[in-house]
Amino acid sequence: DAKTTQPNSMESNEEEPVHLPCNHSTISGTDYIHWYRQLPSQGPEYVIHGLTSNVNNRMASLAIAEDRKSSTLILHRATLRDAAVYYCIRGGYGGSQGNLIFGKGTKLSVKP
Amino acid sequence: NAGVTQTPKFRVLKTGQSMTLLCAQDMNHEYMYWYRQDPGMGLRLIHYSVGEGTTAKGEVPDGYNVSRLKKQNFLLGLESAAPSQTSVYFCASSYSVSNPQSNFGPGTRLTVL
Repeated sequence: DAKTTQPNSMESNEEEPVHLPCNHSTISGTDYIHWYRQLPSQGPEYVIHGLTSNVNNRMASLAIAEDRKSSTLILHRATLRDAAVYYCIRGGYGGSQGNLIFGKGTKLSVKP
Repeated sequence: NAGVTQTPKFRVLKTGQSMTLLCAQDMNHEYMYWYRQDPGMGLRLIHYSVGEGTTAKGEVPDGYNVSRLKKQNFLLGLESAAPSQTSVYFCASSYSVSNPQSNFGPGTRLTVL
């Protein structure tokens, strides 16, 4: 049970922003929201994570809804290298020892 | 730093054969994990470890065993391989519960005939 819902696929044009949505309506107060991505034939790669506040790093931004039932991963300028499967994950810490439950993710295609 | 490395990268087994997959990390991480990924699917957790000498079952543990004798190594064993275990296996590690970023290895592609 991935406990998150994401669109199966999305398309973007190169150098345009991309907003990848994720619903996690049953999230608990201690669950983090993580995003990983997986390029073809590679292992998943950490993108970003957050708990309540919006977060920014060199790869992306994470916008978390005030009720924490949804979040959006924002890639500010998509490049061809950003074509990957993006996983939104609810991470239960403490009780679940930090393991990540992956769903099927969103396959992002980037057009030149 | 090599990060997370996995050995071997590819392996073909016959049904009933056994093998061990090795995962090594050089980041002094406490937590280590084994996942499997089937075609078109997300990753599923097989077993994990929260420290040297400790292991626990994940979502799909049947048919696998693990050991964490050294902090830097996490071994995944298949005692009697079955075709249903044909998959790509990923190892991951993370520093602690409070630092949740996980580093993944490149994967091991296993085919069981």
